[in-house]
Amino acid sequence: EVHLVESGGGLVQPGGSLRLSCAASGFTFSHYWMTWVRQVPGKGLEWVASIENDVSKKHYVDSVKGRFTISRDNDKNSLHLQMNSLRADDTAVYFCGTSRVPGAYDVWGQGTMITVS
Amino acid sequence: EIVLTQSPGTLSLSPGERATLSCRASQSVTSTFLAWYQQKPGQAPRLLIYGVSTRASGIPDRFSGSGSGTDFTLTISRLEPEDFAVYYCQQDGYLFGPGTKVDI
Repeated sequence: EVHLVESGGGLVQPGGSLRLSCAASGFTFSHYWMTWVRQVPGKGLEWVASIENDVSKKHYVDSVKGRFTISRDNDKNSLHLQMNSLRADDTAVYFCGTSRVPGAYDVWGQGTMITVS
Repeated sequence: EIVLTQSPGTLSLSPGERATLSCRASQSVTSTFLAWYQQKPGQAPRLLIYGVSTRASGIPDRFSGSGSGTDFTLTISRLEPEDFAVYYCQQDGYLFGPGTKVDI
């Protein structure tokens, strides 16, 4: 069965750092794009970052460029999001997802909560 | 920069009724990477439709997608009790619309 499990969330002070991880299983991780999407409780979904399957290309929403870094380890089937210079408006549930179909994300983790306060 | 608008913001319907949800792009979408997701409280998004009109694995055929250019539609032919949720469109695998809540 296909699974994504996020970890690393928690409470951090403004200006601090946090590293999220997403462990993948049940599919050939190295073949697919991966993404991070966040959601402020009670609000809509916001795409944060994506990384292509061969690691070479990364894409970010403007509000996190220069602060967040997406990475992946295809040998360990893991995805990461290094978040630096955190701000209060980064507070959200962060979901990882995988794109096994064109242009969309068909498997999601359960999410991990980040609170910047 | 493309902006996605979804309407209506809230759709109040009864089980068995037809739901028609709209997603409009501020500029013509040249790719076919338009997707629809369902989300229930406390849960991750669930992919319903990708490539404008292709149902994702395991999605019932009461869900259908259509559209092109700037206007896209998700139709739920007959609402089941489990369909009451928030629905988001997404373009090119990154930009999300603000969502439409379908409630009873």
